[in-house]
Amino acid sequence: DSGVTQTPKHLITATGQRVTLRCSPRSGDLSVYWYQQSLDQGLQFLIQYYNGEERAKGNILERFSAQQFPDLHSELNLSSLELGDSALYFCASSVNVGGHNEQFFGPGTRLTVL
Amino acid sequence: GQSLEQPSEVTAVEGAIVQINCTYQTSGFYGLSWYQQHDGGAPTFLSYNGLDGLEETGRFSSFLSRSDSYGYLLLQELQMKDSASYFCAVDTGRRALTFGSGTRLQVQP
Repeated sequence: DSGVTQTPKHLITATGQRVTLRCSPRSGDLSVYWYQQSLDQGLQFLIQYYNGEERAKGNILERFSAQQFPDLHSELNLSSLELGDSALYFCASSVNVGGHNEQFFGPGTRLTVL
Repeated sequence: GQSLEQPSEVTAVEGAIVQINCTYQTSGFYGLSWYQQHDGGAPTFLSYNGLDGLEETGRFSSFLSRSDSYGYLLLQELQMKDSASYFCAVDTGRRALTFGSGTRLQVQP
């Protein structure tokens, strides 16, 4: 158990819909990262928040948005869903260990768009 | 752009040694990490190299050569439970990690 929680575990929805994925980082971690992992693919970085502010942006579509709240939990909003958005979405939080960025991943949310 | 190359699949037998290579081309480099992911599970951190050389953690070792933009993960005394996907990831200094596409390791009895 990494200490990072994500809900829901599974989500099935239809094209055109909107969903919200939720993540709570490990206690004390200020950074939250969102990644997308399509079938048999690597992890694509979407976006990072640090203490409530957007820190870095990756290959995040305009239909997707995220935010981090004062209690440090984060939500990833996916709208106008397409079949290709079906994937595992991971949230990670990080601690700076000896100068490097070790990330702890949540169990993921499996999104299926039908 | 950023690119990391690693083999897509490796097969080895129990008790053997296997090496998974990773070459990278990124703008900015602070270090190379390795993550393990079992099917259906979350990635978990294995090791990190910020400087050239070998880092050892139990049965796993990781190596980095910054001048060659190359690293590898070495797994010794393979066990069935080591069957998983292994990802190299570069910290480009933007705090987020850029991951390779992963190497699926299959350990056979």
